Amino acid sequence: AQSVTQLGSHVSVSEGALVLLRCNYSSSVPPYLFWYVQYPNQGLQLLLKYTSAATLVKGINGFEAEFKKSETSFHLTKPSAHMSDAAEYFCAVRITSGTYKYIFGTGTRLKVLA
Amino acid sequence: GAGVSQTPSNKVTEKGKYVELRCDPISGHTALYWYRQSLGQGPEFLIYFQGTGAADDSGLPNDRFFAVRPEGSVSTLKIQRTERGDSAVYLCASSLTGGQPQHFGDGTRLSIL
Repeated sequence: AQSVTQLGSHVSVSEGALVLLRCNYSSSVPPYLFWYVQYPNQGLQLLLKYTSAATLVKGINGFEAEFKKSETSFHLTKPSAHMSDAAEYFCAVRITSGTYKYIFGTGTRLKVLA
Repeated sequence: GAGVSQTPSNKVTEKGKYVELRCDPISGHTALYWYRQSLGQGPEFLIYFQGTGAADDSGLPNDRFFAVRPEGSVSTLKIQRTERGDSAVYLCASSLTGGQPQHFGDGTRLSIL
């Protein structure tokens, strides 16, 4: 079965520091992977997606993620954190057979310290 | 343009009551998804519509939950005999077709007393 695991339910970084949010996937077939951001009392917004075209994916707001098959990882990074990046981040995998069902991780809450 | 709209934004009701949650997708989007998000958790898939039909309802937890999309646009999630464990934020998303990027609404926060 396809799934994702997010390591670290809470991550704190200083403003201007590197952001690294971890996501590992489980899939027997090439996966479709996504990162979403959720601000308080709002729905989810797509940051970026991996669909096998390129292993390094660039998204909105300066975020990017690298698909590493050997490590079954799809970690999200941003070189320099901004206060406005404080939110909850979800990694997700899309089931690739017979449906367009998405499975989300449990989320990582990012705190940015001034 | 208008995004995905969910109403009501908040719903408080008593255990045992019936509730309906509404989702207005982006115009022209044929795929529609319902998720449930409990506190501290990621969204949990409930059901996916392609047009008027439920293409995948494997996430509905039991027969108290039902969803419809009679004209292929607006969808209603219906919960009968509500239980306290049904308290969560119910999210709706739509996409142009299945497999295209999803656009989420802000959710309906359901509280069962």
